Amino acid sequence: AQSVTQLDSQVPVFEEAPVELRCNYSSSVSVYLFWYVQYPNQGLQLLLKYLSGSTLVKSINGFEAEFNKSQTSFHLRKPSVHISDTAEYFCAVSDVHTGNQFYFGTGTSLTVIP
Amino acid sequence: NAGVTQTPKFQVLKTGQSMTLQCAQDMNHEYMSWYRQDPGMGLRLIHYSVGAGITDQGEVPNGYNVSRSTTEDFPLRLLSAAPSQTSVYFCASSSLSGGSSYEQYFGPGTRLTVT
Repeated sequence: AQSVTQLDSQVPVFEEAPVELRCNYSSSVSVYLFWYVQYPNQGLQLLLKYLSGSTLVKSINGFEAEFNKSQTSFHLRKPSVHISDTAEYFCAVSDVHTGNQFYFGTGTSLTVIP
Repeated sequence: NAGVTQTPKFQVLKTGQSMTLQCAQDMNHEYMSWYRQDPGMGLRLIHYSVGAGITDQGEVPNGYNVSRSTTEDFPLRLLSAAPSQTSVYFCASSSLSGGSSYEQYFGPGTRLTVT
């Protein structure tokens, strides 16, 4: 089974500053990678995903993540955060061969400070 | 298109009571799953199903039961509630055909408290 590590449980950052949320996974087999965002008292929404092709993937609201196979990482970045980005962020991995069984990290709480 | 719906939104149970959390999806997804979310532990898979009549256990199945009689519905049953089952429960679904690239769609969650 996969395991997913999100090293930072809480990340405070000032508005308009850059941020990186780290995600590492355990296995070197072919994987699909996802970042989900959870706003307070809501369900999870897909932010972006890597399935194949370009290792840099982007979301519509300015986040991007880069798949690094050698380091088994999928870190999430944004060059300038907004107050509205305050949320919990979850990294998830699934094995290409099993597809739908997801393994989630423990989450990173991003707080944007005005 | 409602996506994934869950009822109830909130529930309080006494120890030993049983109840069913409802989950339904209208996207014709083959795969459905139940997670529980606890502080500092992320989401943990309870049970999942790859189609009607097929269910399997996830990481933390003890104390829970599921069935899948239709493609749309995937109820989660708590057989005899315990305080350790106090949690937020999420249902999710996804396509197995790859059309939506295995993205899981989540319901809004059910917040359960067992006293």
